[in-house]
Amino acid sequence: AQSVSQHNHHVILSEAASLELGCNYSYGGTVNLFWYVQYPGQHLQLLLKYFSGDPLVKGIKGFEAEFIKSKFSFNLRKPSVQWSDTAEYFCAVNAPYSSASKIIFGSGTRLSIRP
Amino acid sequence: DADVTQTPRNRITKTGKRIMLECSQTKGHDRMYWYRQDPGLGLRLIYYSFDVKDINKGEISDGYSVSRQAQAKFSLSLESAIPNQTALYFCATSDRGTASTDTQYFGPGTRLTVL
Repeated sequence: AQSVSQHNHHVILSEAASLELGCNYSYGGTVNLFWYVQYPGQHLQLLLKYFSGDPLVKGIKGFEAEFIKSKFSFNLRKPSVQWSDTAEYFCAVNAPYSSASKIIFGSGTRLSIRP
Repeated sequence: DADVTQTPRNRITKTGKRIMLECSQTKGHDRMYWYRQDPGLGLRLIYYSFDVKDINKGEISDGYSVSRQAQAKFSLSLESAIPNQTALYFCATSDRGTASTDTQYFGPGTRLTVL
C-alpha cells in the first residue's frame, strides 16, 4: 500500500523568502501526486497535481512542484512567499491502477509567514 | 452554491449518543469519501464509496458506519460517540473518469465535539 511522509510539521518564514516543503511517498508503481492547501478555517483546495508528462508541475498562486521518481519525492516550492500563503499544506498520493485505488494524505505541514 | 455541502457544520454531543453527518454533492461524481482530520495526523480515510451500491472501509472505520442513499448523498454515522471521535470531518467527491483523474473536491467540514 502507498504511504506519504511530510517531514516538516511547522515551517516559519518571512515574507519574500523562498519555500520548499518536502513530500516523499512509498509505492513502486504508477502514482498520481497532489498538493492541497487548507487556509485557516477553510476546507482543502487543490493546489496542483501530477499525473504524467513534465515532472515540473505549476499550480495556482505561483506554486510549483517537481516529481523526482528516483527519489520518490514531490516537493512543493514557491520562490517568494506572501503573508496570505499562511495555511496548512497536504501532500497526497494515489495509485490509480492498484486494486485499492484511493488517495492517501500526508500529515500536513503548517506554514506560518511573518509579515 | 457550493458543490459539496455538509450538515451540520458544528455539533457538540455527549458520549454514547448516535450522530449522523450528512454530505451532499451537485458535481455528479460517482465517488464519495469521508475523512477525519486531527492535528498532526493529517486526513485519515474512514469510508469511501465508488458507486451507490459500493461501500469500502478506509484506514479507521471502527466505530463508524456509512450509507450511500443516492449518487449525491453519503452519510456518516457514529452509533455510540466517544470523546476520541472529536475531530473535524470532511466529505469529498471525485469523478470516476479515467483512472488518472482522481482529483478530490472537499466539503466545508463538520466540527464534532464529543463530551
